[in-house]
Parts: sequence; C-alpha cells; structure tokens
Amino acid sequence: DAKTTQPNSMESNEEEPVHLPCNHSTISGTDYIHWYRQLPSQGPEYVIHGLTSNVNNRMASLAIAEDRKSSTLILHRATLRDAAVYYCILRDVGGSQGNLIFGKGTKLSVKP
Amino acid sequence: ETGVTQSPTHLIKTRGQQVTLRCSSQSGHNTVSWYQQALGQGPQFIFQYYREEENGRGNFPPRFSGLQFPNYSSELNVNALELDDSALYLCASSLGVSAGELFFGEGSRLTVL
Repeated sequence: DAKTTQPNSMESNEEEPVHLPCNHSTISGTDYIHWYRQLPSQGPEYVIHGLTSNVNNRMASLAIAEDRKSSTLILHRATLRDAAVYYCILRDVGGSQGNLIFGKGTKLSVKP
Repeated sequence: ETGVTQSPTHLIKTRGQQVTLRCSSQSGHNTVSWYQQALGQGPQFIFQYYREEENGRGNFPPRFSGLQFPNYSSELNVNALELDDSALYLCASSLGVSAGELFFGEGSRLTVL
C-alpha cells in the first residue's frame, strides 16, 4: 500500500474549522483514501473515506485534490471532543480491508 | 446493536509466559482483524480472520496466533512473551473483507515484565 505523509501535530480553537492535510503522492488509481481517528484511551474510529470525489458525512468532509496526490479532512466546527490523533490511510480497492497501514497520524489539540 | 468488546482490558505477564486475548465482534460482522499498538505509534496489523480462516497476516512471528469461532468471536494468543510485546492490542470487526469501515474495540493493554 502507498505511503501517506501528515503533520505530526496541529492546534485549533473550539468552534473553528480545522483542515487536516495528507499527502499521498504515490497513490494508485485503485487506492481509496480513508481517515480514522483515535481519541485518548480508545480504539480508532472510522471518520470518512473516498476515491475521487469530495465526500461529506455527519462527522466531517473529505476534499480530494484533482490529481489525488493529496487530500484534506475538514472538521467544520471543532469541539473539545475532536481532540484526537487523525490517521490518513490508503487502501487498495481490491485489498483486504482488515489490513490498514497506519502511520503516526496528526495529533489534533483543541483549545477552548 | 452491540459494538466490539475486548477482554481483559488490562493484564500483566512476565517474560516467557503465554497470553490469550478475546474479542467479540459487532453483531453480524464475519471478519475480525487484530492490531498491536506500541506507545506513541500507530496500530500495526497482525492478522485477519474471515469465516474462521486466517485471511491475511502482517509481519509478526508465528508465536502470534489466532482463532475465530463459529459465532465470529476471536482470540489472539501470544506465546513466549517478550518485553517488546508490551502494547495495546486492538480488535476490529467488519462485514466482509472488502467492507469500507472497520469497527474497533477499546483494546487490551498488555504489560510484560
């Protein structure tokens, strides 16, 4: 699976939007972009995934660059509960779903 | 609908011992994956079970083994424990091997002394 690059940490203020970037310059045409987050003392939690088009769900939005070499997870209004480590993961559409390759992720801090 | 549950939540073992960790998958999910997460690192894939058969394995030695039962619950067994096996062990379930989303439990924290 292709590799992703994320900043080690980011800070945000409560109730402001947060844009978490991810670079994946070696992405292949069959790689989905997945985002998971891990709150302190919990297991990872699915956030969103997409292939080419931007995606929205109740938790977040995923903006995918036209060349698919980067993407951005958007939290529209950060809350204290959004403080977590966010992982950007590439998953081949034909690959085994169980085998997610996690990097170190981005640790998001949210200030009140 | 119950989520993924793992037991025990915490345990302490000594080097050379054996440990069994248990996982109950989310209702209706037939695929279970296990991950090891060392402190400050992202989770690393150990293996996956689909309908009671191992269906993929990461870079872990054979002393890491698993089982999946007819009710889709699962066990992770680690023999000859080493200090470096100290970690959070996470179980995740999904519906099918190509599902879009994994559901993780809260993990079992293993300390090896």
